[in-house]
Amino acid sequence: GAVVSQHPSRVICKSGTSVKIECRSLDFQATTMFWYRQFPKKSLMLMATSNEGSKATYEQGVEKDKFLINHASLTLSTLTVTSAHPEDSSFYICSATLTGEGYTFGSGTRLTVV
Amino acid sequence: QKEVEQNSGPLSVPEGAIASLNCTYSDRGSQSFFWYRQYSGKSPELIMSIYSNGDKEDGRFTAQLNKASQYVSLLIRDSQPSDSATYLCAVNIQGGNTPLVFGKGTRLSVIA
Repeated sequence: GAVVSQHPSRVICKSGTSVKIECRSLDFQATTMFWYRQFPKKSLMLMATSNEGSKATYEQGVEKDKFLINHASLTLSTLTVTSAHPEDSSFYICSATLTGEGYTFGSGTRLTVV
Repeated sequence: QKEVEQNSGPLSVPEGAIASLNCTYSDRGSQSFFWYRQYSGKSPELIMSIYSNGDKEDGRFTAQLNKASQYVSLLIRDSQPSDSATYLCAVNIQGGNTPLVFGKGTRLSVIA
């Protein structure tokens, strides 16, 4: 089945720094990827939809200048958390969809901002 | 607003029993439906997908869809302690490559 690889799995950064999270579709081309954020004991909240070769579509309330999404190729989407603050600490998960395979999730990135 | 509702639980069942998880959705035009299992600190894992009314069985899991009632359920037969997790109901409301809308999840605890 479709596999989505996400890195890093865990990152700790200092407040004010930026962190990049990568999401790769293995063995298939993902024209669309989705980025979610999950706080403890909460459900997944969609942050943005990433389309290859075009600007991402952000959900209401998500700062596009803070959460930079780049989908430069059909197999790679990146999320950069800029000027991270402790309130950005969360579990970030990417997802890609392939027709007939449903939605596949990356393994997630646990971001801790100290 | 598009919504997917689940009872947050926890739902506790004894080992070997049937666990029944329920989900309702607000948009009658919703296209496809998914159940994911999520262990603490891990990413969601697809359990079942269902697209048309009726039952769909895969091993110990059965998904049931009733579009008229806007209701989808997941039955887990012969529940095992390893089934203890949070189960997320997700709905593709708009079809195509549009994002899933997730319920808040039901926490299942299978007691040995």
